[in-house]
Amino acid sequence: GQSLEQPSEVTAVEGAIVQINCTYQTSGFYGLSWYQQHDGGAPTFLSYNALDGLEETGRFSSFLSRSDSYGYLLLQELQMKDSASYFCASRGSARQLTFGSGTQLTVLP
Amino acid sequence: DARVTQTPRHKVTEMGQEVTMRCQPILGHNTVFWYRQTMMQGLELLAYFRNRAPLDDSGMPKDRFSAEMPDATLATLKIQPSEPRDSAVYFCASGSPGEDSPLHFGNGTRLTVT
Repeated sequence: GQSLEQPSEVTAVEGAIVQINCTYQTSGFYGLSWYQQHDGGAPTFLSYNALDGLEETGRFSSFLSRSDSYGYLLLQELQMKDSASYFCASRGSARQLTFGSGTQLTVLP
Repeated sequence: DARVTQTPRHKVTEMGQEVTMRCQPILGHNTVFWYRQTMMQGLELLAYFRNRAPLDDSGMPKDRFSAEMPDATLATLKIQPSEPRDSAVYFCASGSPGEDSPLHFGNGTRLTVT
């Protein structure tokens, strides 16, 4: 089976840094992806970690530790537009994604 | 800017009716995935294809759902007969052959079954 755990809600203020954690229990694990979804919209790709370590893309960074079955998404210099749901997802052998339940991020002015 | 296109965007139908949702993957993408999103269950994988061949549809209720790829530019998801519990947003996503390339999602079909 596959399961991913992430916090349901996170609140932070503009300009702050926030970290969204994700722990997983999956078979056939190939990597951890992060997707952003605004209300009513399509999930959009943010980052992917196939190997342990940190991946940085602008204000977003993602980390993976395979030995700990753990990853996180780090968002820096938060902006109001970052208010959205963030999903971690484990990738399988056929590139299929199994999603966590999502973290609702609210950025306050 | 290439996009995954899904039609219709919204569908309201009565219980028992057939529903067909369509997806046009990004040109050149060889993997196609169908997901369903509800508040209670989140994003669930229903079925997926590679090079038009079905790889796995174990996430779908087999008695009423069917997924096909008649050609490389069209994927369909059918529900017959539809039930109120099928109300959800159905997303199609496609991926290129590149090993670490991300999935690109369409804007979804919001289905309401009354």
